[in-house]
Amino acid sequence: SQQGEEDPQALSIQEGENATMNCSYKTSINNLQWYRQNSGRGLVHLILIRSNEREKHSGRLRVTLDTSKKSSSLLITASRAADTASYFCATVNTGTASKLTFGTGTRLQVTL
Amino acid sequence: DAGVIQSPRHEVTEMGQEVTLRCKPISGHDYLFWYRQTMMRGLELLIYFNNNVPIDDSGMPEDRFSAKMPNASFSTLKIQPSEPRDSAVYFCASSFGGAVGPSPLHFGNGTRLTVT
Repeated sequence: SQQGEEDPQALSIQEGENATMNCSYKTSINNLQWYRQNSGRGLVHLILIRSNEREKHSGRLRVTLDTSKKSSSLLITASRAADTASYFCATVNTGTASKLTFGTGTRLQVTL
Repeated sequence: DAGVIQSPRHEVTEMGQEVTLRCKPISGHDYLFWYRQTMMRGLELLIYFNNNVPIDDSGMPEDRFSAKMPNASFSTLKIQPSEPRDSAVYFCASSFGGAVGPSPLHFGNGTRLTVT
């Protein structure tokens, strides 16, 4: 079963613009993670934010977490064509040990 | 490190045949996960192991699916008999400490299975 729902399902922007993807989830979590998947490849971990954190940065990535609204957002600043991929949020739910449950994903297209 | 290695990359088989997917996790990782990805259902966790022991197989769709991890460097996912609805991309991932541990999940490039 899927925990997270990403919004939008697809996003098309031009190079240099910012891309924002949102994730909503249903139960209390231990942490929330974002992964990227290029076409035909496996998923690659981007960033992890714990339930007691509100914001985290890594390079051009900024992640926020609002546990009261059960939502997270991933912001990619100054996007590049190489950022074209699908982006997934994933949660470790409280009480489910080491299970990582993925959302439905957002397909990002960055055009030149 | 070569990362998580899965084989084969592509598998085409006929309905009713046995299929075995293979995975070599990253050395030193103590958790291994099998996921399945389809357009309709997204990424589904099938089973995961800790120190070669299956911890949670609640995602395994039915008795036709089985997974083993005979040692720390090898795992298999077997489907017998295969059906067209099993067509999907199957991913193996490994980590140190699981999803709450110090390392994230590292995914292989998957096995694309087509059952005709």
